[in-house]
Amino acid sequence: AQSVSQHNHHVILSEAASLELGCNYSYGGTVNLFWYVQYPGQHLQLLLKYFSGDPLVKGIKGFEAEFIKSKFSFNLRKPSVQWSDTAEYFCAVKGDNFNKFYFGSGTKLNVKP
Amino acid sequence: SAVISQKPSRDICQRGTSLTIQCQVDSQVTMMFWYRQQPGQSLTLIATANQGSEATYESGFVIDKFPISRPNLTFSTLTVSNMSPEDSSIYLCSVEDLGDGYTFGSGTRLTVV
Repeated sequence: AQSVSQHNHHVILSEAASLELGCNYSYGGTVNLFWYVQYPGQHLQLLLKYFSGDPLVKGIKGFEAEFIKSKFSFNLRKPSVQWSDTAEYFCAVKGDNFNKFYFGSGTKLNVKP
Repeated sequence: SAVISQKPSRDICQRGTSLTIQCQVDSQVTMMFWYRQQPGQSLTLIATANQGSEATYESGFVIDKFPISRPNLTFSTLTVSNMSPEDSSIYLCSVEDLGDGYTFGSGTRLTVV
């Protein structure tokens, strides 16, 4: 069965630190990859997505993610985090032969001012 | 992208009762999805609702516990039946936004006492 792994469950950073959140998936076919963010008390919002083309994807608020097919990974990065980035981040995958999302377990990011 | 209105936003219910959650989309969509996000966990797909046919339930979820209606292409309801404290969770509806992944409603935070 398909699965998505987020290895970092809780990350604490100081402002201006660099961020990288890991995401690995288990599916050998063509995938669409997503990162969603959930700010405290708010609903899920799309941060960025990869469908095809350039494996380095840029999203909103300075986030980017790189799709490395050989590693089945889609890690999220941001060079310098801000306090307002405090949120929970979810990686999700949708494959070409299954019509639903698989979500990772989420990573809670706490940015200290 | 689609805009989803979900209500109620939260509720506290007595065990043994039922709660119906409504999801309204501002555009016609073929499929609507219902997810559960239990405390500290990721999102789990409950079922996929197609207009004019019975919902398709994921493993571990049954129609008697989570009946779903889909009367038209912009509306769906999920009922949580005969509730127990284990049903305390956030319930979300979602639709696929072609090219944008999935859009989520703001969620219904259910507490069963």
